[in-house]
Amino acid sequence: SQTIHQWPATLVQPVGSPLSLECTVEGTSNPNLYWYRQAAGRGLQLLFYSVGIGQISSEVPQNLSASRPQDRQFILSSKKLLLSDSGFYLCAWSMGRLQETQYFGPGTRLLVL
Amino acid sequence: AQTVTQSQPEMSVQEAETVTLSCTYDTSESDYYLFWYKQPPSRQMILVIRQEAYKQQNATENRFSVNFQKAAKSFSLKISDSQLGDAAMYFCASLGNQFYFGTGTSLTVIP
Repeated sequence: SQTIHQWPATLVQPVGSPLSLECTVEGTSNPNLYWYRQAAGRGLQLLFYSVGIGQISSEVPQNLSASRPQDRQFILSSKKLLLSDSGFYLCAWSMGRLQETQYFGPGTRLLVL
Repeated sequence: AQTVTQSQPEMSVQEAETVTLSCTYDTSESDYYLFWYKQPPSRQMILVIRQEAYKQQNATENRFSVNFQKAAKSFSLKISDSQLGDAAMYFCASLGNQFYFGTGTSLTVIP
C-alpha cells in the first residue's frame, strides 16, 4: 500500500530564516505531488504541484519555492521566511490524471516568529 | 475558476443521530469530481467519499452518503448513526484541473 510521509511534524523558525519541508511517498511510482497551505480556520490553498521529476507548477506567487529532485520526493523551500508563512502545510499525492483522488500526508505545522 | 461554498461553519449532532453537511460549488468544467474530506484534530486530511459528476447515482460509503444535485450544483454529505469519532472538520472539494476546497464545517458529536 502507499504511504506518504512529511517532516518535520512541527517547526518554529525566526523571520528571515530559511525553510525546507520534505515529503516522500512510498509504494507507488511517478505520482503527482502537491503542496497545500492551510491557514488557521480556513480551507486549503494549493501552492505547487508536480507531475514529474523537475516539473513544478506554481499556483500562487509568493515567498516559497518547490523542487522535485527524485520521483517520490517533493520539497518546499524558502530563502527567507515571513510571518505570513506560518500555517499548516500539507503534501498530497495522486496517480494518473490530475483529476484523480488526492491522498494527504500528516502535515507540518510551521510557526514563524 | 471554481468555487466551493460551505455555509455552515459549525454543526452539532447527537450520537447515533443523522446530520447533513451542505456544500455548493460552481464550475465551468464539464468533467469534474467532488469530494468530502475529514480533518480530525490530528489535522491529517482523510478522504470520506468521492463522486464523479457524470454519475447520477449518489455515492455511499458505509454510514456516509451524498446527495448530489448536479443542476443545482449541490453536494451535501449525510452522516448516519453519528459516532464520537466523526467529530472533525469536514471539507467539501471539487476537482477539475485542480482542487478547490471549501472553508470547512466543524462537526461536534454530543454523547
